[in-house]
Amino acid sequence: DQQVKQNSPSLSVQEGRISILNCDYTNSMFDYFLWYKKYPAEGPTFLISISSIKDKNEDGRFTVFLNKSAKHLSLHIVPSQPGDSAVYFCAARGQTSNTGKLIFGQGTTLQVKP
Amino acid sequence: DSGVTQTPKHLITATGQRVTLRCSPRSGDLSVYWYQQSLDQGLQFLIQYYNGEERAKGNILERFSAQQFPDLHSELNLSSLELGDSALYFCASSVAAGNTIYFGEGSWLTVV
Repeated sequence: DQQVKQNSPSLSVQEGRISILNCDYTNSMFDYFLWYKKYPAEGPTFLISISSIKDKNEDGRFTVFLNKSAKHLSLHIVPSQPGDSAVYFCAARGQTSNTGKLIFGQGTTLQVKP
Repeated sequence: DSGVTQTPKHLITATGQRVTLRCSPRSGDLSVYWYQQSLDQGLQFLIQYYNGEERAKGNILERFSAQQFPDLHSELNLSSLELGDSALYFCASSVAAGNTIYFGEGSWLTVV
């Protein structure tokens, strides 16, 4: 059972435009969500996170929005840059989890064209 | 550089063999996680250790085992290897449960 889903395997946008990456989850017990970015041959790098008590978190060009009722979160990158081209993973952590383990989506490959 | 160190970076071995992947967490991190990423797959959680003790178990095969040593480094042992075990194995660490986890660069395992 895929508890965290990224339904778009890939996304292509023009440099300077907005990139919107989406993520859906099924487990209402998730209380913390993170986005990771991964370049080929490298490990995932933490990008931004959001707690379930918030609906928005912003860090520079990156903003994450959380819609708890829809069990949906999205990552907005504005403006998109060619260096943002990578695989983006959405991840979630359980509310009652004392482990900190993350459940990951399948990833979305973002290509930003110059 | 996340501060999480994994060795070896690449490993090619034959079916039926056994390998050990090693991970050194970031300085000060007590929790170590192992994830598997197969081709075109997301990151699958395998197992977590916290300060030497197993904390959580995911979809880890019985042929696989792990441990965390007193110096906090961790090893993932994969035995009776099959072709399907070919994957990228990531180690990650965090200060404690609930903190952001940071990943190493991974160990590429190819089983031939």
